[in-house]
Amino acid sequence: GAVVSQHPSRVICKSGTSVKIECRSLDFQATTMFWYRQFPKKSLMLMATSNEGSKATYEQGVEKDKFLINHASLTLSTLTVTSAHPEDSSFYICSALNRTAYEQYFGPGTRLTVT
Amino acid sequence: AQTVTQSQPEMSVQEAETVTLSCTYDTSENNYYLFWYKQPPSRQMILVIRQEAYKQQNATENRFSVNFQKAAKSFSLKISDSQLGDTAMYFCAFIPGTYKYIFGTGTRLKVLA
Repeated sequence: GAVVSQHPSRVICKSGTSVKIECRSLDFQATTMFWYRQFPKKSLMLMATSNEGSKATYEQGVEKDKFLINHASLTLSTLTVTSAHPEDSSFYICSALNRTAYEQYFGPGTRLTVT
Repeated sequence: AQTVTQSQPEMSVQEAETVTLSCTYDTSENNYYLFWYKQPPSRQMILVIRQEAYKQQNATENRFSVNFQKAAKSFSLKISDSQLGDTAMYFCAFIPGTYKYIFGTGTRLKVLA
């Protein structure tokens, strides 16, 4: 499968600050990327679908003003957690969609801790 | 509603033995894709095996094989000759026509030495 990277792998930030997570598709152009959140020992929860050149589509219950998504190029999507609070602490995973193969390639994830 | 059910939250197996993880799903679609992903302690999602619903033949990848029963909407994963490195969380998922994955709740597999 294709390679997807995420940066940073771990981040600690103070409550009230914003943090940006990058997701890059390294060897193919991804018009669509996905952002997931995963709580310990739980499944992946889809937060939003990121489409290159257009607004992201958020799942029900996900605050779009809280979790800003930008997909400015075919290889980069970013998730910005604004005014982070301790309850935003979680593991965030992105994926890039291969439409032809009907398959998503996952990044290694980012562990966010808000103190 | 389109759902995936993994009824075994935790399983264990002795090294070198065989284990089967169950997965059932619900969809009204006729064409879709099914996946098993492994998530080791590193938490990187790793594709284990995939199956196209229009293919009757069960997919196999080395020690991993599936038993796909379309009519029963069942998609179990068999791991043969289990190895310590197989210890991980396993997620069943499918794409029911859109490009979004529907994930199951996962099965935590522990391989015992």
